[in-house]
Amino acid sequence: EVQLVQSGAEVKRPGESLKISCQGSGYSFTTSWIVWVRQMPGKGLEWMGIIYPGDSNTRYSPSFQGQVSLSADKSVSTAYLQWSGLKASDTAMYYCARVSTPMGDAFDIWGQGTMVTVSS
Amino acid sequence: DIVMTQSPDSLAVSLGERATISCKSSQSVLYNSNNKNYLAWYQQKPGQPPKLLIYWASTRESGVPDRFSGSGSGTDFTLTITSLQAEDVAVYYCQQYYSTPTWSFGQGTKVEIK
Repeated sequence: EVQLVQSGAEVKRPGESLKISCQGSGYSFTTSWIVWVRQMPGKGLEWMGIIYPGDSNTRYSPSFQGQVSLSADKSVSTAYLQWSGLKASDTAMYYCARVSTPMGDAFDIWGQGTMVTVSS
Repeated sequence: DIVMTQSPDSLAVSLGERATISCKSSQSVLYNSNNKNYLAWYQQKPGQPPKLLIYWASTRESGVPDRFSGSGSGTDFTLTITSLQAEDVAVYYCQQYYSTPTWSFGQGTKVEIK
């Protein structure tokens, strides 16, 4: 079964760092881009950035450039989303998804989501 | 940036009736070279991640019931759910991937049972 499994929910204080993960299985993890998508409480979907696990090439949405960092470890088929100094406004659900090139770059497989809560 | 605008923001439909959602893009998402519209629809049920329903504006993803259909071209698109079922209660999003590697979503349309 093709799937993306994300790490569990996190509760952090403002200013703390955090790294969440997204592990792929059932397909060639290194040959498909992975996208990260933010969904703030009660709001819509925003793409944050993409990473190609094969060579860790990354692209960031201008809205998130400099705010987060993407990385990948192809040896464990895992992509990561990282913050160095969380803010309350980072409270959201974060999804990873596979970018499907045959579908023209629609997002065909989604992780279950990681809820990040930042509160003092 | 391509802006995606959905209408309505919410709608309530009786079981077995038709639901229609509109999505408009601020510029065409039709690639003339392959005559494909770079437009997808997603369904997000409460407490779940989004699920891809339709890509290329009208191609159903594997396993998606045929009561879901997508149509349109250029800048105007429609998602139709014929004979609404209780399990179709969800928020539906359109997405353009014409400008990949940048993407944009519509604001979402909430579908409820009347």
